[in-house]
Amino acid sequence: DSGVTQTPKHLITATGQRVTLRCSPRSGDLSVYWYQQSLDQGLQFLIQYYNGEERAKGNILERFSAQQFPDLHSELNLSSLELGDSALYFCASSVADRVESPLHFGNGTRLTVT
Amino acid sequence: DAKTTQPTSMDCAEGRAANLPCNHSTISGNEYVYWYRQIHSQGPQYIIHGLKNNETNEMASLIITEDRKSSTLILPHATLRDTAVYYCIVRAQLNTNAGKSTFGDGTTLTVKP
Repeated sequence: DSGVTQTPKHLITATGQRVTLRCSPRSGDLSVYWYQQSLDQGLQFLIQYYNGEERAKGNILERFSAQQFPDLHSELNLSSLELGDSALYFCASSVADRVESPLHFGNGTRLTVT
Repeated sequence: DAKTTQPTSMDCAEGRAANLPCNHSTISGNEYVYWYRQIHSQGPQYIIHGLKNNETNEMASLIITEDRKSSTLILPHATLRDTAVYYCIVRAQLNTNAGKSTFGDGTTLTVKP
C-alpha cells in the first residue's frame, strides 16, 4: 500500500459528461502528480501541483483541469468526455518537488466513457 | 531530457537473480535514475533510485556504471510475484511535457516456476 488514495476506483459515464477524480496524497507529501495511462500511449504525465500551486504541465487537454486544495488533496476534472478519454488515471505524490524525491502512486481510477 | 532504452521482455527462473538492464547514454549530471514496476493495471510501484553510487534497499539493488550511461536493476531472488513491467526512467522525465510516454514501454519481466 503506497498510502496514496484514489476514488472512485471505477467510473463509467457517457460522452459529453463531466467527472471528478479525487486523490489523497501520502501523509506529509506536498506534491501531487496526475498521469493518464491508455493502451496505445503508455503512462503520460498530465499535471503537477506543489503545496496548492501548479508546478508543471504535461499533455493535459483544455477539457481537463485540476487543483490541489489546502488540505493537499487534489481533484482532476474531466469535461466534455470523449470515447478516447477512457483510460486509467493515476495520482502520485512526493514529499517535495525535488528530483531526488520518489513518487508514490495510487492504484488509479479506471474511467470508461461509453 | 535523457531517454532510456530497455529490452522489451525478459524471463527469469524463480529463485534466481533477475538482472534488468537500462541504457541512458544522454543522462545529465544532476539527473537521477529511477526504477518503478507495474503489476497488471495497478499503480506503478517505486523500487529504487540513484545518482551515481550503487544503491540497495529491501526490494532490489541498483548498479550504475561509472560513466552513468547505463544501469542494472537486480532482484536478488525473483518470485512469481515479481512478474511485472519494469520501468527505468530519468527523474527529469517525470514532469515534462514531452509528446511521448513519460514512462516508456519498460521491460516485461516474467518469472517462471
